[in-house]
Amino acid sequence: QQQVKQSPQSLIVQKGGISIINCAYENTAFDYFPWYQQFPGKGPALLIAIRPDVSEKKEGRFTISFNKSAKQFSLHIMDSQPGDSATYFCAASMLSDYKLSFGAGTTVTVRA
Amino acid sequence: DSGVTQTPKHLITATGQRVTLRCSPRSGDLSVYWYQQSLDQGLQFLIHYYNGEERAKGNILERFSAQQFPDLHSELNLSSLELGDSALYFCASSRSTGANVLTFGAGSRLTVL
Repeated sequence: QQQVKQSPQSLIVQKGGISIINCAYENTAFDYFPWYQQFPGKGPALLIAIRPDVSEKKEGRFTISFNKSAKQFSLHIMDSQPGDSATYFCAASMLSDYKLSFGAGTTVTVRA
Repeated sequence: DSGVTQTPKHLITATGQRVTLRCSPRSGDLSVYWYQQSLDQGLQFLIHYYNGEERAKGNILERFSAQQFPDLHSELNLSSLELGDSALYFCASSRSTGANVLTFGAGSRLTVL
C-alpha cells in the first residue's frame, strides 16, 4: 500500500505565482521527509528535506511546512519560474531505514 | 551530472528475455539502491546493497536479482521479462546505510515488447 499520499497529480501556475503540493503519511515512525525534483530524462534530485522537530524549513523560494499532529507536510514554491516546471515527489523514511517511500508525484507547469 | 552512472540509457527487448542493468555509484558512496519507476506504481524501492552486502529488499520480483561487486558497482538482472516490466529503473547511491540523502542516476529505460 502507498505509505505517502501526494496531491494534486498536476498543477499549472503562472510565472510569479505560488505552487503548493501536499503530502500525507501514515507511519508515525517516519522521521525524515525529503522532496525530490525530477526533470524529463533525469533522475530525481534532492530539493529540500525536513525533520519532524521543526514546523517549517525554507531554502530560497522553496519552503516545506510540516504538521506532525496531522501527519501532513507540504511544499510551497514561491515566485514560480518556468525553470521550476518539473515533477515533484515527496517522500518519507526513518533515518535509520534503508528505503524511501515516495508519493505518486506532482507535475508542475509554470506558464510564462 | 549527478555522479551516478547508469548503463544502458535505453533498452528494448522481447518478452521472456533477460537483461542486465549496470550502475556505478558516486565516488565514495558505499550504498547502492535500485528503484523502479512506472506510470501506475510510481517510484518503488527494489533493493539496497551496502559495501557488497544485501541490506534490504523491497518490492522486488523473484525474477529480478542484483549484486554489488568489490569495486562497488552494481548490476540489476531482470529475467523472464514481461510486458509489465517496462519501466524506468533508477540506481541511487549514498555514503552510508541510511536512505536520507540519495543521489540518483539518470535511469535506464526498459521497454519489453
